[in-house]
Amino acid sequence: QKEVEQNSGPLSVPEGAIASLNCTYSDRVSQSFFWYRQYSGKSPELIMSIYSNGDKEDGRFTAQLNKASQYVSLLIRDSQPSDSATYLCAVGGEGGGNKLTFGTGTQLKVEL
Amino acid sequence: DAGITQSPRYKITETGRQVTLMCHQTWSHSYMFWYRQDLGHGLRLIYYSAAADITDKGEVPDGYVVSRSKTENFPLTLESATRSQTSVYFCASSEYRGIDTEAFFGQGTRLTVV
Repeated sequence: QKEVEQNSGPLSVPEGAIASLNCTYSDRVSQSFFWYRQYSGKSPELIMSIYSNGDKEDGRFTAQLNKASQYVSLLIRDSQPSDSATYLCAVGGEGGGNKLTFGTGTQLKVEL
Repeated sequence: DAGITQSPRYKITETGRQVTLMCHQTWSHSYMFWYRQDLGHGLRLIYYSAAADITDKGEVPDGYVVSRSKTENFPLTLESATRSQTSVYFCASSEYRGIDTEAFFGQGTRLTVV
């Protein structure tokens, strides 16, 4: 049984700060990793994907992957109140990202 | 509009009744999925389909039935609803591109079984 672990939070950061969200996974052969954002009462929205060790940047978001440590993280720079949401880490299954295993999500609160 | 749509958005049903949740996508994605989301459990895969007439179980399939006669539709049926099936159900679709396959979600159906 694949497992994806996240701290449920809430993680509170002041506006303008860097928010750091972390995720660990159990299946060593996993190859694809995704971060979804989910606002309350809404559906998950894909914000980042990463497949290789290292960093991947997209605007204010940076995903980091360390396969040796089985660790994925998401950094949000210059956090805004609109970033307040639950962030879901997802790990792709056989053949890539077709069957996703999700963590339970980390709730982020960006305070004014 | 193009995308993935679910219906109904909200449903209340009684224990023991059959209920079907609909999912329709206009991207012609080959893969479609049904997840349920519950507090403390996150999103869990119920069933998925790799193509029309090809379906397979996910992590929590008991009590659910799926079919996929057309690529664009993937209905989920609860044959005899139970209170434990009260949840938010999300349909998703993706087009396989190897490890960079990305899944996109519908807006969800909130189901309450009383």
